[in-house]
Amino acid sequence: DAKTTQPPSMDCAEGRAANLPCNHSTISGNEYVYWYRQIHSQGPQYIIHGLKNNETNEMASLIITEDRKSSTLILPHATLRDTAVYYCIVRVAAGSARQLTFGSGTQLTVLP
Amino acid sequence: EAQVTQNPRYLITVTGKKLTVTCSQNMNHEYMSWYRQDPGLGLRQIYYSMNVEVTDKGDVPEGYKVSRKEKRNFPLILESPSPNQTSLYFCASSLSFGWYEKLFFGSGTQLSVL
Repeated sequence: DAKTTQPPSMDCAEGRAANLPCNHSTISGNEYVYWYRQIHSQGPQYIIHGLKNNETNEMASLIITEDRKSSTLILPHATLRDTAVYYCIVRVAAGSARQLTFGSGTQLTVLP
Repeated sequence: EAQVTQNPRYLITVTGKKLTVTCSQNMNHEYMSWYRQDPGLGLRQIYYSMNVEVTDKGDVPEGYKVSRKEKRNFPLILESPSPNQTSLYFCASSLSFGWYEKLFFGSGTQLSVL
């Protein structure tokens, strides 16, 4: 699976958009980008995933650059409950039973 | 409600005393997995199971056993726990392993081995 690089921490004002970057310069053509988050000591929670097109769901938007070497997770209106560690992961969709490898992630703190 | 249930939430034990952490999912998922989480090391996979009676090692399987006799249950067994197995453990499941699955995680088990 491709290696990802994320900033260790970020702050965001409540109500503003939180933009979390992720570099995955060695990503292969068949590797998906996944985002999960973990609120303190709880089980990680799936947020969104994508291959090469931008994706949006009820939680967030995922912007993947055209060369697929980086992506940005956008929380459009951050709330205090969005304070969590956010993990960017890339993996092959099929054929790998080992599932996801979680790195260190980005600690997002939403400030009142 | 769709969920992955782990028990117990907290467990304190002594070195060498066998223990089992239970994990159950109610979503008819084929794939189940155990992770441990330690400060600075992220989540590391211990064992996984692609279906009933099919299990395999993850990245850190030493000192652990698992079984998958029923689709819904995937217990983690520590035959002779040691202090280096003190950690936060998570069970997870997904519909299968071959497509863009979401992993559903349990609430975690904080284990302390004295």
